[in-house]
Amino acid sequence: DADVTQTPRNRITKTGKRIMLECSQTKGHDRMYWYRQDPGLGLRLIYYSFDVKDINKGEISDGYSVSRQAQAKFSLSLESAIPNQTALYFCATSDPPGQGETQYFGPGTRLLVL
Amino acid sequence: LAKTTQPISMDSYEGQEVNITCSHNNIATNDYITWYQQFPSQGPRFIIQGYKTKVTNEVASLFIPADRKSSTLSLPRVSLSDTAVYYCLVGYRGSTLGRLYFGRGTQLTVWP
Repeated sequence: DADVTQTPRNRITKTGKRIMLECSQTKGHDRMYWYRQDPGLGLRLIYYSFDVKDINKGEISDGYSVSRQAQAKFSLSLESAIPNQTALYFCATSDPPGQGETQYFGPGTRLLVL
Repeated sequence: LAKTTQPISMDSYEGQEVNITCSHNNIATNDYITWYQQFPSQGPRFIIQGYKTKVTNEVASLFIPADRKSSTLSLPRVSLSDTAVYYCLVGYRGSTLGRLYFGRGTQLTVWP
């Protein structure tokens, strides 16, 4: 079974709708991340969380919100989706400091906003 | 936040050694260099990490000169399955990990 899972894998929604992307991990990591990937632009950090009580904005947090419901769960919400939020979204976790801090990515959620 | 510069794309043939160089002129004393590999429609996957000199694992080698302003990922004897995007990241192994910069990466295409 995958260590980092994302649901849904694909989603089509309409402008103005609120949607939630969910991420679960079984690695026991405190640190979790949400990234967005657009063609030719690499990955850009949206939000990150270093533990259940910690939420931090990344490069491109406008239009997004997150919720860290538990150590294993980190959700990303689009409050009112717009077409330029069409992208591939990745959730990731990372090893603790002092243990390499490698990031482990989920399979991604492909989102289309019409 | 140290940013990186990599070639946008590279081509190679099966069986050749591929070297991808990354520039990181503003690297800080506490920064480490990490490389990730990404296949289409998949999340990036960790390849290798280093601080200085040379690091080798079962997948690749990482060469870092003394001034640490650049690094080179070396993939020995590539195959078609090595076609992917390769990202070079520089970041502090500590609380600022969340601010790592992925950049656009290098698209490596391996031809038969």
